[in-house]
Amino acid sequence: EAQVTQNPRYLITVTGKKLTVTCSQNMNHEYMSWYRQDPGLGLRQIYYSMNVEVTDKGDVPEGYKVSRKEKRNFPLILESPSPNQTSLYFCASSLSGGFRYEQYFGPGTRLTVT
Amino acid sequence: GESVGLHLPTLSVQEGDNSIINCAYSNSASDYFIWYKQESGKGPQFIIDIRSNMDKRQGQRVTVLLNKTVKHLSLQIAATQPGDSAVYFCAVHAGGTSYGKLTFGQGTILTVHP
Repeated sequence: EAQVTQNPRYLITVTGKKLTVTCSQNMNHEYMSWYRQDPGLGLRQIYYSMNVEVTDKGDVPEGYKVSRKEKRNFPLILESPSPNQTSLYFCASSLSGGFRYEQYFGPGTRLTVT
Repeated sequence: GESVGLHLPTLSVQEGDNSIINCAYSNSASDYFIWYKQESGKGPQFIIDIRSNMDKRQGQRVTVLLNKTVKHLSLQIAATQPGDSAVYFCAVHAGGTSYGKLTFGQGTILTVHP
């Protein structure tokens, strides 16, 4: 089944403890992206990747890191999480040629930083 | 940067009515526009897109209209059904040096009453 998977789905952590949220797609998509969703603010793009080894900042990249060493994986790294990073996170991917194709979203990861 | 807003945060309609959801954007260089639907507890789902060289595009029961003069985008849903109840987001691609970067609006909650 074609899909985007994220792990973990739920995570409660403490301030300053490094964490990684994994994202994987099995559709051979070139474009991948991370978003955070907060009430009243919609979705905001954190980072995106046009292809392997190519990443760019979205609108809210501060406090996050990403890497794209393989086409299928695009992990989101929080080196020192803070409470303002408590949010619902979505990973998405789309077909080769970049973002100008339908983006498929993962199920989301709900992160709480205390 | 790009800012994307919506005219109404909520929209309530009767089953069978037509629904219109609006979106305004700020960057006249924006070249690609997408509508997403998000049901409760799920990731966003692609509905329809339109490129800046078009004014209108139709899908199954949905139509997207683009007015570049006033930087306005709308999603029309014909014969709205209870299953259309969800949050609807527009997303805008600015193009240029921000190739690949998407900015989302805050979302409109559509409620369809049987």
